[in-house]
Formats: sequence, structure tokens, C-alpha cells
Amino acid sequence: EVVLTQSPATVSLSPGERATLSCRASQSVSSFLAWYQQKPGQAPRLLIYDALHRATGIPARFSGSGSGTDFTLTISSVEPEDFAVYFCQQRAIWPPITFGQGTRLEI
Amino acid sequence: EVQLLESGGGLVQPGGSLRLSCAASGFTFGSYAMSWVRQAPGKGLEWVSSIRGSGDTTYYADSVKGRFTISRDNSKNTVYLQMDSLRAEDTAVYYCAKAWAGWYPLDYWGQGTLVTVSS
Repeated sequence: EVVLTQSPATVSLSPGERATLSCRASQSVSSFLAWYQQKPGQAPRLLIYDALHRATGIPARFSGSGSGTDFTLTISSVEPEDFAVYFCQQRAIWPPITFGQGTRLEI
Repeated sequence: EVQLLESGGGLVQPGGSLRLSCAASGFTFGSYAMSWVRQAPGKGLEWVSSIRGSGDTTYYADSVKGRFTISRDNSKNTVYLQMDSLRAEDTAVYYCAKAWAGWYPLDYWGQGTLVTVSS
């Protein structure tokens, strides 16, 4: 099973700052990595797939990078609505599909 | 507009059974794999099970294998999760989700249904 480790667990920023979230895989997942955003009481929302492709309707301030075992989600300038929990997910080696434990982006 | 609506959650005693349903609309249901993902209170996301669009291929997490069964009825645009021998650790919000292509990524999610296993 591929273990995804996200860091940091919590990141505290102010609106307008740059956010950099990390996801590290226990073995190579090529580019089969996605990022999701989840706000309290809501379902997750797909942001990025295949490491760097934005999903439909996702603002350009969200970007993904990386391949193999190290991946990054960057929010170029954090907006108030971006404060949420972010999860990475892989499907390169499955089952099982696995998720990271999440990074909380807080004000 | 794609919509996924889960139902069937509730309170059940340990060892009991529950069947979740997820009614889909806004896309050609039989052309897409569907998955169930759960989230225990205050915890992260855990993949539970997936089923191919045709229904002929299914996958399960080890934690539910032999206890849960995923199925679908493409004539009703609905995917199901039959949960038997429920345990306290199965307590979670259960989300159904549609795969964008193949089995991943999960591009649309329902709002979830809460399953509580407790005596």
C-alpha cells in the first residue's frame, strides 16, 4: 500500500500570502496524484489531477507540481475562501486508493 | 448538472446491517466508475470501494472486504453499498463519488450520509 504523508499538518497564513503544501509518497506514483479541498461540513472538491492539471472551474491561483514521490500544491495568493483542509490522493498502485492525512490551512 | 444524493445512513447496532444508496443524475451513469469514500468524525478520508461502470469489476479496502458489497443498477442510475457485520470503527460519513476517467480522479462527490454504529 502506498502511504501518502502530507506536511505540514497545519499552516497558518494571512490572505494574500503564498501557500505551499507538500505530499510525499512512500513509493513512486508517477503523476497519478490528485488534490482535494474540503471545507467544514462539505464534501471534498477536486482541485488538481495528474499532479498538475486543474479541474474544471478551479481558479488559476491553485497549481500542482511534482512527480514520482514528491508533490506540491501551491496557492499563489490565498483568498479567504481557501481556508480549508487539503488532501492528496494516489491511484498509481491500487487497490487501495490512498489519501494523505490532510493539511489544514488556517488564518 | 451532476448530482449525487446519498441516503440510507443512520444508527445501527454493532453486528447489524445497513444499505446505502447513491442516486446520480446529470451524466451518463453507466459510463463511469463509482466509489464510496468514508470519513470518520474529525478524521481524514478513507477509500472504501469502487465499481466499474458496467458493474463487472469491484474493489474493496481490506478493512471492509468480506463485510461490504458494492453494486449498481444502471437502469436506476444508482450505486449501493451493502454493509454487514458493522463495527464501531465503521462509524463515518459515507460519500459516493464519480470517477472522471477510469477509476480516478473523483470529480464529483455527494454530500454524504452519516452511519453511526453504536449500542
